[in-house]
Amino acid sequence: EDQVTQSPEALRLQEGESSSLNCSYTVSGLRGLFWYRQDPGKGPEFLFTLYSAGEEKEKERLKATLTKKESFLHITAPKPEDSATYLCAVGRRALTFGSGTRLQVQP
Amino acid sequence: ETGVTQSPTHLIKTRGQQVTLRCSSQSGHNTVSWYQQALGQGPQFIFQYYREEENGRGNFPPRFSGLQFPNYSSELNVNALELDDSALYLCASRSSGGASYNEQFFGPGTRLTVL
Repeated sequence: EDQVTQSPEALRLQEGESSSLNCSYTVSGLRGLFWYRQDPGKGPEFLFTLYSAGEEKEKERLKATLTKKESFLHITAPKPEDSATYLCAVGRRALTFGSGTRLQVQP
Repeated sequence: ETGVTQSPTHLIKTRGQQVTLRCSSQSGHNTVSWYQQALGQGPQFIFQYYREEENGRGNFPPRFSGLQFPNYSSELNVNALELDDSALYLCASRSSGGASYNEQFFGPGTRLTVL
């Protein structure tokens, strides 16, 4: 059974203060690791897919990296509009999600 | 390109009632999945439909059922509602082929409250 654990549960940053979110996973065979952003009361918004250790993807201030046991979402010089819950998931047909990291970026 | 749409946005039901939620998949996507998201938790997989048949199911009882139509839209039906069914119900669609076939795109969700 796939398992995903995200840390920290919540993170408060000052604008411009870079940090990283962690996603640890246990799978029988990785078919993809996915990062989503979710704003309150809305559906998850797709950010990245990673498939193999060493892979990296970037989008604006976000960079996702992958090892054999975990993935990191690095946020460089965040802005208040980056405030959201960031979800990590693994799987193919059925995604298994972590509980997310609630990020708050204060001006 | 039209994204995933869901209706209704919000719904209030009482315990024991039945509910139907609807989803239109993103254009070009033929596979639809449904997820339940409780407050403060990540989404949990309910089931997936492909070619109008269920082809994967999570740990949900049979009172959760679904349909997929020839135009790839889908319905989620929940019978005998319980208080614990209160959640955000999310629909996600993906294509069954191509380089990004694994990527699921979510709709805005339906907030169901069971009283």
